[in-house]
Amino acid sequence: QSVLTQPPSVSGAPGQRVTISCTGSSSNIGAGYDVHWYQQLPGTAPKLLIYVNTNRPSGVPDRFSGSKSGTSASLAISGLQAEDEADYYCQSYDSSLSGYVVFGGGTKLTVL
Amino acid sequence: QLQLQESGPGLVKPSETLSLTCTVSGDSISSSNYFWGWIRQPPEKGLEWIGSIYYSGTTYYNPSLTSRVTISVDTSKNQFSLKLSSVTAADTAVYYCTRLVGALRWKNYMDVWGKGTTVTVSS
Repeated sequence: QSVLTQPPSVSGAPGQRVTISCTGSSSNIGAGYDVHWYQQLPGTAPKLLIYVNTNRPSGVPDRFSGSKSGTSASLAISGLQAEDEADYYCQSYDSSLSGYVVFGGGTKLTVL
Repeated sequence: QLQLQESGPGLVKPSETLSLTCTVSGDSISSSNYFWGWIRQPPEKGLEWIGSIYYSGTTYYNPSLTSRVTISVDTSKNQFSLKLSSVTAADTAVYYCTRLVGALRWKNYMDVWGKGTTVTVSS
């Protein structure tokens, strides 16, 4: 059971827009800790996609955007492309116990 | 360009200790704005943070693993290491080493990842 909750799967047709939610609680996202997103293509290591809620690293297309509100965050992908088919993970920090890094369970994006 | 490379045995026996090393090239592990950490991913499952270390030796670990985990750093070799004791089949996973941005651990995120190394726990 992951501390951050993501839908197991989402899908969309090429050109469409999809969103992936990441729901936390008052000890992580709701406490104001930043949310970061990673993309993992099949058979490869994860790659940083969005950092500090809304920021894109150099080289990440502006089709990818992040937002955060209350105890949740979202990743939006517009103009869906076949190469976007991957697993997506959100990550934050949880202040319970002694404090630790937490991930969502991951969301498999299928491009129809 | 910063690169991280994991190394270590691909097969570990149950109850023994898993040991991995991450070699950092292209930057100093003593950079003040970064932590260095380990993440694992069991087959067909999601990512799990194991723990992180600052170049000074300050560590913090996943509460679910803290009794079995030790992460250390060797600044002279630009390496950091993971030891996980008393392993079981549940510890079978791909293990990634990463660089975590931020000198404050509650702001950490992973901007560079190694390619990962598969560790199987089996007799």
